Amino acid sequence: GAGVSQSPSNKVTEKGKDVELRCDPISGHTALYWYRQSLGQGLEFLIYFQGNSAPDKSGLPSDRFSAERTGGSVSTLTIQRTQQEDSAVYLCASSLGLAETGELFFGEGSRLTVL
Amino acid sequence: AQSVAQPEDQVNVAEGNPLTVKCTYSVSGNPYLFWYVQYPNRGLQFLLKYITGDNLVKGSYGFEAEFNKSQTSFHLKKPSALVSDSALYFCAVRSFLSGNTPLVFGKGTRLSVIA
Repeated sequence: GAGVSQSPSNKVTEKGKDVELRCDPISGHTALYWYRQSLGQGLEFLIYFQGNSAPDKSGLPSDRFSAERTGGSVSTLTIQRTQQEDSAVYLCASSLGLAETGELFFGEGSRLTVL
Repeated sequence: AQSVAQPEDQVNVAEGNPLTVKCTYSVSGNPYLFWYVQYPNRGLQFLLKYITGDNLVKGSYGFEAEFNKSQTSFHLKKPSALVSDSALYFCAVRSFLSGNTPLVFGKGTRLSVIA
């Protein structure tokens, strides 16, 4: 597609429920990133996929968070047993990869509200 | 470890006046530096980057940034601010030594341009 697409754009859930957030990167981009944006906290790195390499999961805040990327394209971020502190905007970005000088292209985000 | 500091949460400037949004960084080795902008209810958009070469980098929408190695700074500037420049601005860094690792972002600076 023309840009990075994320769905849903808004999700309201109850504490304890599981949620899935989807990211469809720009076609041909081999690198895919998930960040979390909380009020006053800036962008917090969560996880990074590069081609067929093992993902960099160093930013995941707990084992309730997981992500996968199928076929080197679409990615799903799953949050199990959601907590109120998980409320944030989850941003996905993609890049051409390998070139560390390349910029990231971001989606518009999925706003998660945990009640 | 890589880090970015944006010392101002909020910057206010009158339309037509010059603006500066400050950023300092800490990395091992040479840095790759980026500025992104986030307009209300939108994803982050790339503005400009410094990789190597001239310390003054020009980017989108008339913005520029100056890399200062001795002060480890990469301040964003514009000679004449527009009301439409009002947005959230993020500085980001990646180390030349760290390979293709995720960008580390600052907490953001909210710019408000007043007519």
